Amino acid sequence: GEDVEQSLFLSVREGDSSVINCTYTDSSSTYLYWYKQEPGAGLQLLTYIFSNMDMKQDQRLTVLLNKKDKHLSLRIADTQTGDSAIYFCAEIGNNNNDMRFGAGTRLTVKP
Amino acid sequence: KAGVTQTPRYLIKTRGQQVTLSCSPISGHRSVSWYQQTPGQGLQFLFEYFSETQRNKGNFPGRFSGRQFSNSRSEMNVSTLELGDSALYLCASSLTTPNTEAFFGQGTRLTVV
Repeated sequence: GEDVEQSLFLSVREGDSSVINCTYTDSSSTYLYWYKQEPGAGLQLLTYIFSNMDMKQDQRLTVLLNKKDKHLSLRIADTQTGDSAIYFCAEIGNNNNDMRFGAGTRLTVKP
Repeated sequence: KAGVTQTPRYLIKTRGQQVTLSCSPISGHRSVSWYQQTPGQGLQFLFEYFSETQRNKGNFPGRFSGRQFSNSRSEMNVSTLELGDSALYLCASSLTTPNTEAFFGQGTRLTVV
């Protein structure tokens, strides 16, 4: 089946930029998402990008999509301790209604 | 605008019992999807409903079922509970399809003992 892969851990210092990477295999993916999950909480939609775009910026968040390499990244500028959470990459194809998620990247922000 | 509401937040059940979880989507949203989250398997798709019809189903046994009502509220049911069903069950709400923006509830944490 199609896979979505992410590295499991990332640690940065407060004020630095964080870059979380994701790769996927389904070439029919039409939308790609980043969700944030804090302890004991559900998933918070951070941003999403349509597959015909290569970049989307929203305040401190920048999403880059390399469709040829099936690589998605999320850059968080000026990372704060409140950004510590698990970040999930997800994708959905044009012909189905189920989102496929990566295993999540645990971001730890050190003061 | 109220978000996605899942009830109950926490549940403890015994093996062999059955359980029903509820999800009220964002007002105006007609698509409801259910996911199971476990430490070992991550987030896995259960099923998606739109206008009271199941449109898509994940790879789960028949013990897992769901339905959607005319007001778009959805329930999922798990019968003959097993220890491995212990998980966080998340519901996502979208306008028409999950393709654009899917908003998740806080989840129901089910513990099977």
